[in-house]
Amino acid sequence: AQTVTQSQPEMSVQEAETVTLSCTYDTSESDYYLFWYKQPPSRQMILVIRQEAYKQQNATENRFSVNFQKAAKSFSLKISDSQLGDAAMYFCAYLPGNTGKLIFGQGTTLQVKP
Amino acid sequence: NAGVTQTPKFQVLKTGQSMTLQCAQDMNHNSMYWYRQDPGMGLRLIYYSASEGTTDKGEVPNGYNVSRLNKREFSLRLESAAPSQTSVYFCASSSGQYREKLFFGSGTQLSVL
Repeated sequence: AQTVTQSQPEMSVQEAETVTLSCTYDTSESDYYLFWYKQPPSRQMILVIRQEAYKQQNATENRFSVNFQKAAKSFSLKISDSQLGDAAMYFCAYLPGNTGKLIFGQGTTLQVKP
Repeated sequence: NAGVTQTPKFQVLKTGQSMTLQCAQDMNHNSMYWYRQDPGMGLRLIYYSASEGTTDKGEVPNGYNVSRLNKREFSLRLESAAPSQTSVYFCASSSGQYREKLFFGSGTQLSVL
């Protein structure tokens, strides 16, 4: 079965510092996509970043970047210059290439300290 | 720009009661989904509809039924609510190309007493 594991239930970072959230996944598929979603206290799910498995280059979106290690099945999210507005729960998610069944990890709650 | 609209936002039920969660999207998306979110377990897929007229089970379908009423609307029904169904429910939609992102509603907080 395909699974996504986020081993850090909670993380904290000082404002303006950098933090990395970990995610590992298990799959035998070769075609898939990986996502990081942010869920602030408003409960709204917001897409942060997306990575296609066939691309070797790591995706970046402004202060957010990923370290995609396909052989290790690892997909970590790095947040640079952390801001108070980054405080939220972050979910790693895996999407098999041939279905719409997005599979989520358990989530990591990020606290940003002023 | 309504996006994905879920109703109601909050609901309290007694064990054994039934209810329907409504979801509508105005983005002309083909695919729609229902997820539940529980503490420490992330979001789990209950049912999804790849296109109008089709539905399929996700990871946790037991105790739920769905109806894809038309392209815009996808409802989730609890026939006989149980305390284990206390959760936050999210509806989502996508264009159906799968590789594109999901657009989520704001969620329904359901408590079953």
